[in-house]
Amino acid sequence: ILNVEQSPQSLHVQEGDSTNFTCSFPSSNFYALHWYRWETAKSPEALFVMTLNGDEKKKGRISATLNTKEGYSYLYIKGSQPEDSATYLCALARNSGGSNYKLTFGKGTLLTVNP
Amino acid sequence: GAGVSQSPSNKVTEKGKDVELRCDPISGHTALYWYRQSLGQGLEFLIYFQGNSAPDKSGLPSDRFSAERTGGSVSTLTIQRTQQEDSAVYLCASSLEGDGYTFGSGTRLTVV
Repeated sequence: ILNVEQSPQSLHVQEGDSTNFTCSFPSSNFYALHWYRWETAKSPEALFVMTLNGDEKKKGRISATLNTKEGYSYLYIKGSQPEDSATYLCALARNSGGSNYKLTFGKGTLLTVNP
Repeated sequence: GAGVSQSPSNKVTEKGKDVELRCDPISGHTALYWYRQSLGQGLEFLIYFQGNSAPDKSGLPSDRFSAERTGGSVSTLTIQRTQQEDSAVYLCASSLEGDGYTFGSGTRLTVV
């Protein structure tokens, strides 16, 4: 069983706070790590696709880092806003039998930003 | 179309009935995927299409589940003789090979 773990499960922060959460995964046969944001009643929105160890990507106030050797990725949100409230999902793609298209998702971190 | 479209957005069905869920992917996206999220669980892979063929059906939970894709475009996921454990949000996604997914907004299926 391939376990992609996300922590914390949920998080409440005040507007303006910076926050971060973790995705951990098996490091063997690593191909890519995806981050998505999923707001209620909407489509999951792609944030980042990360492939290289040590990679750091940024999109506005959101950034992510990747460590493929130890099997973790961090997502950071600087100066949280109420509109950042959503479930943040990470998903692992592995090189295993040619199935690098298949994503294994964590259960997500539910972020609530209070005004 | 501009995005991945799924229908219906919500479906309530009685136990034992068949249901069909539809996915209209982004035009030109060769890869199409079905996932589902049951209560308290992560997104679970169901099936992958490359064009009209399904090289990976390993996630379909039972033989009550089937899917097809026609014309390299629209896909339907059919669940026969629905059970309460089939209740979930069913998400479709499409991609160009090797790219990230673009998801639809899902079909929330409730079996009563």
